[in-house]
Amino acid sequence: SQQGEEDPQALSIQEGENATMNCSYKTSINNLQWYRQNSGRGLVHLILIRSNEREKHSGRLRVTLDTSKKSSSLLITASRAADTASYFCATNDRGSNLGRLYFGRGTQLTVWP
Amino acid sequence: EPEVTQTPSHQVTQMGQEVILRCVPISNHLYFYWYRQILGQKVEFLVSFYNNEISEKSEIFDDQFSVERPDGSNFTLKIRSTKLEDSAMYFCASSDGTSRSNEQFFGPGTRLTVL
Repeated sequence: SQQGEEDPQALSIQEGENATMNCSYKTSINNLQWYRQNSGRGLVHLILIRSNEREKHSGRLRVTLDTSKKSSSLLITASRAADTASYFCATNDRGSNLGRLYFGRGTQLTVWP
Repeated sequence: EPEVTQTPSHQVTQMGQEVILRCVPISNHLYFYWYRQILGQKVEFLVSFYNNEISEKSEIFDDQFSVERPDGSNFTLKIRSTKLEDSAMYFCASSDGTSRSNEQFFGPGTRLTVL
C-alpha cells in the first residue's frame, strides 16, 4: 500500500512554538502534498513537494522530503491558535501523474493560546 | 480565488435510497475526483474522471456508485442504494492537469448520513 502515515497522531503546543509533523510512505512517489482540515470541514491544500525537491517553503510552512528514507516533515513556525487542525500528507504514485492521492491518518495539532 | 463547491453540505437519507452528491469543480480544471472520509478514518480515493470517462476507480467504487458530468460545470456522484456504511464525508476535488504535479483542490464536502 502506498498510504502515508503521519506521526505523531496528536501534538499539543503553546502559541509561538514550532510544530513538526512527520509522514512516512512506502513506495516511489511523484510528489507529496500536505493538507489541512479543520474539524468537520474540507481539505485545504497547503504545499506540494516534488520527488526531485528536498525542501520547500511557503510562509510559516517548511516541508522537507527525503526519498531515500521515504519520509517528509511539515514544520509550522511560530504557531498560532488558528493553526489548530488536522494535518494530512498525501502521496501521488510515480507514474501516476494525475491519479489518486493516498492519505495518511493525520496529525491532530492543538495550539493553545 | 476560484474554489470547488459542493451541495448539499449535509444529506440525510434512509437505507436503500438513492442519493446524488453534486460538485462544481474549478472552471478550467480537467480532472475530477471523489474521495470519502468515514468518521475518524483516512480520506479514501473513490474515483477519478477525465474526458468524460472514469480514469481510475478504487475497490470501494462498486456497481452502486456512478459518476457523471451532465453539463460543462457539474460533476455528480450517485449512490444507487445506500447502505449504513456509506455514511461518510464525501469530498470532490479537481486538478488542472497542466503541470507535472497533481495539485488537487478539494471542496468543503458533503456529510452523508444513512439511517
